[in-house]
Amino acid sequence: GQSLEQPSEVTAVEGAIVQINCTYQTSGFYGLSWYQQHDGGAPTFLSYNALDGLEETGRFSSFLSRSDSYGYLLLQELQMKDSASYFCAVGGNNNDMRFGAGTRLTVKP
Amino acid sequence: EPEVTQTPSHQVTQMGQEVILRCVPISNHLYFYWYRQILGQKVEFLVSFYNNEISEKSEIFDDQFSVERPDGSNFTLKIRSTKLEDSAMYFCASRAASRYEQYFGPGTRLTVT
Repeated sequence: GQSLEQPSEVTAVEGAIVQINCTYQTSGFYGLSWYQQHDGGAPTFLSYNALDGLEETGRFSSFLSRSDSYGYLLLQELQMKDSASYFCAVGGNNNDMRFGAGTRLTVKP
Repeated sequence: EPEVTQTPSHQVTQMGQEVILRCVPISNHLYFYWYRQILGQKVEFLVSFYNNEISEKSEIFDDQFSVERPDGSNFTLKIRSTKLEDSAMYFCASRAASRYEQYFGPGTRLTVT
């Protein structure tokens, strides 16, 4: 089977740095993605890692360790608009994608 | 900027009725997906579609569900006989070949009464 674990909630203040971890167990692995979803909205793509290491895109970075079945999303210089749910998702070998339960990030002033 | 569109935005139906949810993926994308999200829960994979056939389907995607690409632009999800537990937001997504990011449509909220 497949399972992804991520914290249910994280709270941080504006300007801070927050890390959202994701561990996974899957039968096939093609890559780890991160998506952001605001309340009432659709998921939007943030980042993708197929290989070990860090990918940086502006204020967001994502890390993957395939040997540890672990990744994280790092959000820097937090802004109020970053308050949303963040999902890690694993792409499998058969063109599927399975999402974690999501981490609700609340950014406080 | 190109975007995935979905219609209708909200569909109310009675238990046992058939519904068809419609999606127009981004025009040069080749991979298409349907997901559902029950309110407050995670996004659940239903099915992926490539080259006019299903690539993968989840355990949720049973015989009550079917997908079709009836022409060069539309991608549809049919639920043959709706149940109360089918009430959810249904998202369509698409992606280009050799790219990993999926672009999601705004969703169709399905309410089964």
